[in-house]
Amino acid sequence: GNSVTQMEGPVTLSEEAFLTINCTYTATGYPSLFWYVQYPGEGLQLLLKATKADDKGSNKGFEATYRKETTSFHLEKGSVQVSDSAVYFCALVLYNQGGKLIFGQGTELSVKP
Amino acid sequence: EPEVTQTPSHQVTQMGQEVILRCVPISNHLYFYWYRQILGQKVEFLVSFYNNEISEKSEIFDDQFSVERPDGSNFTLKIRSTKLEDSAMYFCASSEEQKRGTDTQYFGPGTRLTVL
Repeated sequence: GNSVTQMEGPVTLSEEAFLTINCTYTATGYPSLFWYVQYPGEGLQLLLKATKADDKGSNKGFEATYRKETTSFHLEKGSVQVSDSAVYFCALVLYNQGGKLIFGQGTELSVKP
Repeated sequence: EPEVTQTPSHQVTQMGQEVILRCVPISNHLYFYWYRQILGQKVEFLVSFYNNEISEKSEIFDDQFSVERPDGSNFTLKIRSTKLEDSAMYFCASSEEQKRGTDTQYFGPGTRLTVL
């Protein structure tokens, strides 16, 4: 089947710490991969994406590399800020199923000053 | 920057009542979607829509649900007879295309539906 698994949250870090949120997937086809972020009280915003193997998506200091051999798309940031506190969702798209996005369960990040 | 908008932001209804959730997708987008997120659970796909037809729907999207694009700008989700378990945040999304690289789905802020 098709699924996305993320590391459990919540994750609590101090400002300027290094962040990794693990994401692995299973897919019957060749999906594109996404990270979405949800700030408190807001909707889902695209953070970054990668469309093929070995692509690196990056935005706002966050990075993730599409690793087909390990079916992973881990999110990293070298130095988190309090403003990065949010819920992060890893997702894949199924092109043969009407563009359906399949989401992981979300990882809540809390950054303390 | 263009964005997807949704109304209302919060809807409270009695069980068995009909509700219509409204969305205005980004103007040059051709593909439209509804997702929902029950509190504390994953974001789940409901339906995708293109060229005035449903492209794909999930098992959740049963006969109680319908979608429509009544004019050139709105995209609606109707729940005919709401149940308690329909209480969730409903997100609308749109994308320009469904090809690799131009398939990014942009989400609205959501409508919180509470069924009493």
